[in-house]
Amino acid sequence: DGGITQSPKYLFRKEGQNVTLSCEQNLNHDAMYWYRQDPGQGLRLIYYSQIVNDFQKGDIAEGYSVSREKKESFPLTVTSAQKNPTAFYLCASRLTGTGEKLFFGSGTQLSVL
Amino acid sequence: KNEVEQSPQNLTAQEGEFITINCSYSVGISALHWLQQHPGGGIVSLFMLSSGKKKHGRLIATINIQEKHSSLHITASHPRDSAVYICAVRLNGNQFYFGTGTSLTVIP
Repeated sequence: DGGITQSPKYLFRKEGQNVTLSCEQNLNHDAMYWYRQDPGQGLRLIYYSQIVNDFQKGDIAEGYSVSREKKESFPLTVTSAQKNPTAFYLCASRLTGTGEKLFFGSGTQLSVL
Repeated sequence: KNEVEQSPQNLTAQEGEFITINCSYSVGISALHWLQQHPGGGIVSLFMLSSGKKKHGRLIATINIQEKHSSLHITASHPRDSAVYICAVRLNGNQFYFGTGTSLTVIP
């Protein structure tokens, strides 16, 4: 079955540590997104990518980095520069085009030890 | 400033009731999406609208482009409808803006 797979489901970060969240899709989608969800707030865009080897910063990119070496994969690294990383992280993808829905992964809950 | 506003924030209904969730937006959009987020966090896309009305089972979504407003209706609500419903708008291009969500609880 086609879909988006995020891993791990739960992740704990120690102070000063970089951690990487995985996002893989087998839907042949061009565009991929990383969003952060905090209680009481709407999803906020961290980074998005429309094609391989190209990505753009979203509204809250500071302290995060991404890569898009393959169409299927869009990993997110939460660096030690992100001082408040505790949140629920969602990866999404879609075909670029006017009529296409967003598909989401099941999310990763990141907490600080 | 939030480009997308939803109301109500929280909603409790008895099983069988008709439910309406509202979404207003302040920017020109290419499309509006209604999403459902269940406990555990996964999000499913319910509807994508650029005009008019769509229906899927007990769910109906409408949009009024001139008034920049959309509604999601649930007829004959059921406890399994309990979830957070999120309105999202897509501007020209690939970026989306999201509302803060409406938390719905349907009591048997």
